[in-house]
Amino acid sequence: SQQGEEDPQALSIQEGENATMNCSYKTSINNLQWYRQNSGRGLVHLILIRSNEREKHSGRLRVTLDTSKKSSSLLITASRAADTASYFCATDASGRGITQGGSEKLVFGKGTKLTVNP
Amino acid sequence: ETGVTQSPTHLIKTRGQQVTLRCSSQSGHNTVSWYQQALGQGPQFIFQYYREEENGRGNFPPRFSGLQFPNYSSELNVNALELDDSALYLCASSPIVSDTQYFGPGTRLTVL
Repeated sequence: SQQGEEDPQALSIQEGENATMNCSYKTSINNLQWYRQNSGRGLVHLILIRSNEREKHSGRLRVTLDTSKKSSSLLITASRAADTASYFCATDASGRGITQGGSEKLVFGKGTKLTVNP
Repeated sequence: ETGVTQSPTHLIKTRGQQVTLRCSSQSGHNTVSWYQQALGQGPQFIFQYYREEENGRGNFPPRFSGLQFPNYSSELNVNALELDDSALYLCASSPIVSDTQYFGPGTRLTVL
């Protein structure tokens, strides 16, 4: 089952505009991650926000987390044509994070397909 | 580039056949996870290997199996292929106790 659900499913904007994508999840989390995927290729990790953080920045990316509403948003400012991709939020399936080694078992939403028109 | 490689890039099989997909992790990464991504969907967790032992499994039948080798490379084996197994298969490696996973480019499997 999908833990996270992104909204909207598709977003089309002009270069230079800001793009906002939202993610809702169901269970408690230790952290929430955002990944990007270009046209059916591998995923690239963008940013991780921990449950005790409310906002995080990385370059043109801004992520917010509201654990009371079980939601997160990803803002891409001053978008470029190269930002065209699908964006996924991911949380840990167990909600317990890493306990005895290994890494988190990620549960992804269906993604938001972003198109940035030149 | 994440340093994670997968082979082959594309594969076509027929229903009932068996397939082996391979993943080579980044140096120093002792954990590998496998995900299945159907068209238009997000990736779904298949299983994870940590230090050559299975370390968690998603909702996939036993005909999905895996191996991790001492050099931390990994295999995903699928027996008795079904049409619904057609998907992009992604492996992701992680360094010791890490939240971040580094994904390979994936193997596109088509089952006819």
